[in-house]
Amino acid sequence: DGGITQSPKYLFRKEGQNVTLSCEQNLNHDAMYWYRQDPGQGLRLIYYSQIVNDFQKGDIAEGYSVSREKKESFPLTVTSAQKNPTAFYLCASSPRTGGTNEQFFGPGTRLTVL
Amino acid sequence: DAKTTQPPSMDCAEGRAANLPCNHSTISGNEYVYWYRQIHSQGPQYIIHGLKNNETNEMASLIITEDRKSSTLILPHATLRDTAVYYCIVRVARGGATNKLIFGTGTLLAVQP
Repeated sequence: DGGITQSPKYLFRKEGQNVTLSCEQNLNHDAMYWYRQDPGQGLRLIYYSQIVNDFQKGDIAEGYSVSREKKESFPLTVTSAQKNPTAFYLCASSPRTGGTNEQFFGPGTRLTVL
Repeated sequence: DAKTTQPPSMDCAEGRAANLPCNHSTISGNEYVYWYRQIHSQGPQYIIHGLKNNETNEMASLIITEDRKSSTLILPHATLRDTAVYYCIVRVARGGATNKLIFGTGTLLAVQP
């Protein structure tokens, strides 16, 4: 089955630790995205990548880092510099940037920093 | 990208049509209207999009007013599984640029048995 997978579904970390969230897609999509969602709020864009080995900051990139070494993978690292890392993190992909292509979302990872 | 305004919540009886409104009075001529929904603790799901004409697919219908300043998403026969937050998003479709979606707080649709 084609789709986007995120793991794990729930993640707990101690304050001050870096943590990496996984996102994999087998849809052969060029573009991938990371969003953050806080309770009762909409999604906010953290980083996006239009092509392998290239990525751009979104609206709230501070305290996060990404890599795009493979087309199918776009891991997100939440660093200790992120002041409020506890949130629901969503990964998405689309066939290409621009155009009218919709984004396909993964199931999300809920990160709790203790 | 234009800003959208949606009611925070709506109720609908199971089996009836759910009509979700969205205002986008500052929409530009090259901006599309998209609808997504998010069931609790899951990733958003694409529903439908349109530019000027009304659109219909297996999930819903999208009615866009002639001046394009507002639109309505119609779920023809709502079921309990349609209970979700529905997001209306307007976005320019342009080649080579980001496909960024700007999500507001959406409308929580509660389908009642």
